Amino acid sequence: DQQVKQNSPSLSVQEGRISILNCDYTNSMFDYFLWYKKYPAEGPTFLISISSIKDKNEDGRFTVFLNKSAKHLSLHIVPSQPGDSAVYFCAAIDNNTDKLIFGTGTRLQVFP
Amino acid sequence: GAGVSQSPSNKVTEKGKDVELRCDPISGHTALYWYRQRLGQGLEFLIYFQGNSAPDKSGLPSDRFSAERTGESVSTLTIQRTQQEDSAVYLCASSLGTSGETQYFGPGTRLLVL
Repeated sequence: DQQVKQNSPSLSVQEGRISILNCDYTNSMFDYFLWYKKYPAEGPTFLISISSIKDKNEDGRFTVFLNKSAKHLSLHIVPSQPGDSAVYFCAAIDNNTDKLIFGTGTRLQVFP
Repeated sequence: GAGVSQSPSNKVTEKGKDVELRCDPISGHTALYWYRQRLGQGLEFLIYFQGNSAPDKSGLPSDRFSAERTGESVSTLTIQRTQQEDSAVYLCASSLGTSGETQYFGPGTRLLVL
């Protein structure tokens, strides 16, 4: 049972445009959400997070939006750069177990 | 280096052999986590340590998998009698605590069981 879902396995965006990566979750006990970025042969690196008490968090070119009623969050990258090409994992923390649950990832390719 | 380190970076083994994977967390991080990522799949939680105790082992896929941690330092993940389906990248992460702090990941150990 996949509690955190990233339904798009891949996304291709032109440099300079906006990249929007989506994530849906099923467990209403999740109260903290994170995005990680992973390059080949490296571990995931933390990108940005959002608490369930907020609906938006912005850090430079990266903005995460949370819609609690829809159990949906999205990561916006604007403007997209070729160096953003990586796999992006959405993750959620279950406030009962403190366990970090990951989605299956979306591979973003930014082309010139 | 100040980050999480893992060894070996790559391991090829024959089916039925035992393997031991090592993780060195960031100094001062009390929480340590093991995950694996099989080809085409997301990150799968295996086990986490708070200090040297493991409150949650629910992610270990079978009794062939075990892990231990010495104090708040090195952890080893042992897979006995490896099977081909154990082939994956095994990732270790550490964090200051377990209350939602950011987890910092190591580069992973790529395990291939022939």
